Amino acid sequence: DAGVIQSPRHEVTEMGQEVTLRCKPISGHDYLFWYRQTMMRGLELLIYFNNNVPIDDSGMPEDRFSAKMPNASFSTLKIQPSEPRDSAVYFCASSKGLAGEYSYEQYFGPGTRLTVT
Amino acid sequence: LAKTTQPISMDSYEGQEVNITCSHNNIATNDYITWYQQFPSQGPRFIIQGYKTKVTNEVASLFIPADRKSSTLSLPRVSLSDTAVYYCPGRTGANNLFFGTGTRLTVIP
Repeated sequence: DAGVIQSPRHEVTEMGQEVTLRCKPISGHDYLFWYRQTMMRGLELLIYFNNNVPIDDSGMPEDRFSAKMPNASFSTLKIQPSEPRDSAVYFCASSKGLAGEYSYEQYFGPGTRLTVT
Repeated sequence: LAKTTQPISMDSYEGQEVNITCSHNNIATNDYITWYQQFPSQGPRFIIQGYKTKVTNEVASLFIPADRKSSTLSLPRVSLSDTAVYYCPGRTGANNLFFGTGTRLTVIP
């Protein structure tokens, strides 16, 4: 298995532009997660999907952020318009189930390093 | 919300054993304790999990006391390649993992 695939690996854009990050989860995983990582706040969960349906988006910082999962093998995270404070590494992860009583490990992609100037 | 607490950073010399302790004060009765490792420019990867007592695999050992309020990740004889950030995520009210900033381990030659 190729693991979780993310594209692009690096993205540099100007403030005000639209940014779209892409993710392909591991086949057979029912859960997909989007995280953001910064030095100050560490690794934060933005949103997660179960069977392509958004379940919890309470971590999405504001309306400029949106995420979709049109099918089981593809998800996007969009920022429109982008701002310098959105600069971070964005990770996508997938798992067979949720953490909890039966712990399901999450498999992370390599991340997309976003720089907004 | 079962957030965890762990040291921000640790330094160790090559060849030494490193123990990283995590506090799980609000852990739920049926929750497993998991640890992840993140190398620079990579995503985190799962390394070990346990419910209680001791678990050992090819990467590390995990010690969990009877009250399960803490856990200790033990890395035997660390090398430079063990330099990474180590996370003991807690489960959030949304039934998912909260990673935070982890423990940055630096192995010194």
